[in-house]
Amino acid sequence: SQTIHQWPATLVQPVGSPLSLECTVEGTSNPNLYWYRQAAGRGLQLLFYSVGIGQISSEVPQNLSASRPQDRQFILSSKKLLLSDSGFYLCAWSIRGSRIKTEAFFGQGTRLTVV
Amino acid sequence: AQTVTQSQPEMSVQEAETVTLSCTYDTSENNYYLFWYKQPPSRQMILVIRQEAYKQQNATENRFSVNFQKAAKSFSLKISDSQLGDTAMYFCAFMKHYGRTGNQFYFGTGTSLTVIP
Repeated sequence: SQTIHQWPATLVQPVGSPLSLECTVEGTSNPNLYWYRQAAGRGLQLLFYSVGIGQISSEVPQNLSASRPQDRQFILSSKKLLLSDSGFYLCAWSIRGSRIKTEAFFGQGTRLTVV
Repeated sequence: AQTVTQSQPEMSVQEAETVTLSCTYDTSENNYYLFWYKQPPSRQMILVIRQEAYKQQNATENRFSVNFQKAAKSFSLKISDSQLGDTAMYFCAFMKHYGRTGNQFYFGTGTSLTVIP
């Protein structure tokens, strides 16, 4: 069966420090991968999505970047965190090209607090 | 661009009663998928129900059912016999299949549902 791992679960970082959140998927290949941010009252905001290694699309220009160094690994990064980067970050995956199993599967999320 | 609107930020329902959560969306696409996700206090996102736009029949999953009105671009979720474990944030989501470029999901802002004992 497929599983998704996202870590760390919680993170407190000072302003100006770097960030690296990692997400890996097991039990599938060539997944679509996504990073979302959840802020109070704003739902899930799509930050990045990827359809393959090295292929990253950004939905919202901001202080963050994403990389996909391996097929089932998706990394969210920042060189210098801002207070406004605080939030709950969710990694998700879906089966590419499937019209049957179409849903997104989510990791357990990372609560990031920038202080 | 696709947008998903949930106009009810908070709702409450008495245990064992029925509640309906509203969702509307805006798209020019004809073939797409709609979802309701549940996010309990653990914050794990759980798929509740899925609807294919090409299917006229409304999807049902046990106590959960949808009222899909394609022309009106409306997709409401009905929870029957509400249970305390239904207390959660509920997100409506839209997905368009883009072939080789993959699937993209768009979420509403959520409805916080509280089931009152």
